[in-house]
Amino acid sequence: GAVVSQHPSWVICKSGTSVKIECRSLDFQATTMFWYRQFPKQSLMLMATSNEGSKATYEQGVEKDKFLINHASLTLSTLTVTSAHPEDSSFYICSAREGSSHSGVFGPGTRLTVL
Amino acid sequence: AQSVSQHNHHVILSEAASLELGCNYSYGGTVNLFWYVQYPGQHLQLLLKYFSGDPLVKGIKGFEAEFIKSKFSFNLRKPSVQWSDTAEYFCAVNRRSNDYKLSFGAGTTVTVRA
Repeated sequence: GAVVSQHPSWVICKSGTSVKIECRSLDFQATTMFWYRQFPKQSLMLMATSNEGSKATYEQGVEKDKFLINHASLTLSTLTVTSAHPEDSSFYICSAREGSSHSGVFGPGTRLTVL
Repeated sequence: AQSVSQHNHHVILSEAASLELGCNYSYGGTVNLFWYVQYPGQHLQLLLKYFSGDPLVKGIKGFEAEFIKSKFSFNLRKPSVQWSDTAEYFCAVNRRSNDYKLSFGAGTTVTVRA
């Protein structure tokens, strides 16, 4: 079946640094990728939607200058958390959707801890 | 406002007991409905989904869900749970008109005691 990977699976960084998270669709072309964040014991909240070759669409309340999304190819989207702060510590999950599919495949997530 | 409501925050039950988790949504029109499971320390897995057709959907691991359009509900059921069903369960909804963005419920923690 369709598989989505994320790298890294976990990262610890100092406050003020930037962190890049990759999301790859391994065996299909993802025309759309979604980025979610999940706080402990909470649900997933959609951050943004990215379509290959175009600018990402951010959900209300998500700072586009802080969470930079690049969807440069049909198999790769990246989320860069710029100038990370402890409150950005969370579990970041991507989902990749192929063509006319009604749903996406979720990646395993990346746990970010900002010290 | 768009929302997905899961009725139970935490459910505790014994092995072999029956499980039913409630899910209601507030969108109008055509929707796609999903149940995902997240086992401790693992990533989200799709349990089952409903797009159209038979409103009773069977998924993996013995789970099923029934779409009742008049009630805007998509409840998840399992006749006899096992200890390995201990996990977090999320109901989710999307629509083609909203670019298939998934909206998740708050989740229900299910603890199955041996």
